Amino acid sequence: QSVLTQPPSASATPGQRVTISCSGSSSNIGVNNVCWYQQLPGTAPKLLIYRDDQRPSGVPDRFSGSKSGTSASLTISGLRSGDEANYHCAAWDDSLSGVVFGGGTKLTVL
Amino acid sequence: EVQVVESGGGLVQPGGSLRLSCAASGFTVSKTYMSWVRQAPEKGLEWVSVIYSGYNTYYADSVKGRFTISRDNSKNTLDLQMNSLRVEDTAVYYCATVYGYTSSQFDSWGQGTLVTVSS
Repeated sequence: QSVLTQPPSASATPGQRVTISCSGSSSNIGVNNVCWYQQLPGTAPKLLIYRDDQRPSGVPDRFSGSKSGTSASLTISGLRSGDEANYHCAAWDDSLSGVVFGGGTKLTVL
Repeated sequence: EVQVVESGGGLVQPGGSLRLSCAASGFTVSKTYMSWVRQAPEKGLEWVSVIYSGYNTYYADSVKGRFTISRDNSKNTLDLQMNSLRVEDTAVYYCATVYGYTSSQFDSWGQGTLVTVSS
């Protein structure tokens, strides 16, 4: 059971927008930055969003992050088939003194 | 270019030991915060450990007392000594650079090394 809660799956058609949620608590998302990772099939995770809503260079602006209270969201607009991947949220947890991850959301582009 | 490459994975019996290594290039391990993250088959990511400046380290409860993270500055590598291995430690182990203290920002990842604990 993961400390952060994500839906196990999400789907949408090409061109649509999809939002993936990540729910935490006052000891992690509520007080620390959230990061999102994209993991394409058979590859290592890649940093997609950091500090709640910042994109590393090279990440398209179709990807955006937001946070409110103890929840965070990743939104992908203009969906493409190449966006099919697992998406993971993460945050430092002050109570556990470590990083906690969500269980991951498998995105399917129909 | 920053790059990390893990090695040392393999098949080990329950109760056994294994040492993973992460070779770094393009940066100095001794000056960089670094972590290990693992992923069991068909499961999500699980943070294992982080090493900050000096010997300041943190561990997930699931590995505390069994795993030890360390640096070898002469080789520019990050290591993970894993003892008393359990079946549930079976996973791909990734090495990653960390941006910031008490941060979940893993900037650069290796390709991972598979550890299988089975009799």
